[in-house]
Amino acid sequence: AQSVAQPEDQVNVAEGNPLTVKCTYSVSGNPYLFWYVQYPNRGLQFLLKYITGDNLVKGSYGFEAEFNKSQTSFHLKKPSALVSDSALYFCAVRDRSNQGGKLIFGQGTELSVKP
Amino acid sequence: DTAVSQTPKYLVTQMGNDKSIKCEQNLGHDTMYWYKQDSKKFLKIMFSYNNKELIINETVPNRFSPKSPDKAHLNLHINSLELGDSAVYFCASSQGPVAPEEQYFGPGTRLTVT
Repeated sequence: AQSVAQPEDQVNVAEGNPLTVKCTYSVSGNPYLFWYVQYPNRGLQFLLKYITGDNLVKGSYGFEAEFNKSQTSFHLKKPSALVSDSALYFCAVRDRSNQGGKLIFGQGTELSVKP
Repeated sequence: DTAVSQTPKYLVTQMGNDKSIKCEQNLGHDTMYWYKQDSKKFLKIMFSYNNKELIINETVPNRFSPKSPDKAHLNLHINSLELGDSAVYFCASSQGPVAPEEQYFGPGTRLTVT
């Protein structure tokens, strides 16, 4: 069965420090991988995706993610956190063979950046 | 200009009632989706339509019936509402169901069943 795990419910970071939000997945074959962010009372916003090629993917707002096939991970990173980055972050995976566009989401990680 | 819009934003109703949520996208996308986010923020796909045709139907009770009058609209009708239907429902769209394009989400409809 396909699944996505975000092992940390909450990540706390001081402003200016680097941040990492972890994601591991279990999908047969080579999946497409995504990160989305959800601000309070808002819909999800796309941050970045991995399709193929370079394992380091750069996205919106200075975020990047590293695809690691051997560890089946796709961790989200940012070199210097901002208070405005505080939000709920979702990792999602899509099976390449899936013809319907179905995304499977992790349970979300609440990121809190303190001044 | 809102890319994916949903109405209403909030919906409070009693058990047993029937209600509808509407979704519209102005992105010219071919594929639209309904997701349910429960109280623990867990997101799960319910349905997906491509060019008005149903392509994903997860194990959702048949009290939930999506309808796509055209490829810019995807509505969700819920019959005989139950307490467990309380959640935030998100509509999303993407260019197509095959290419790995990102999905664009609406602001959500918070449904509360009392």
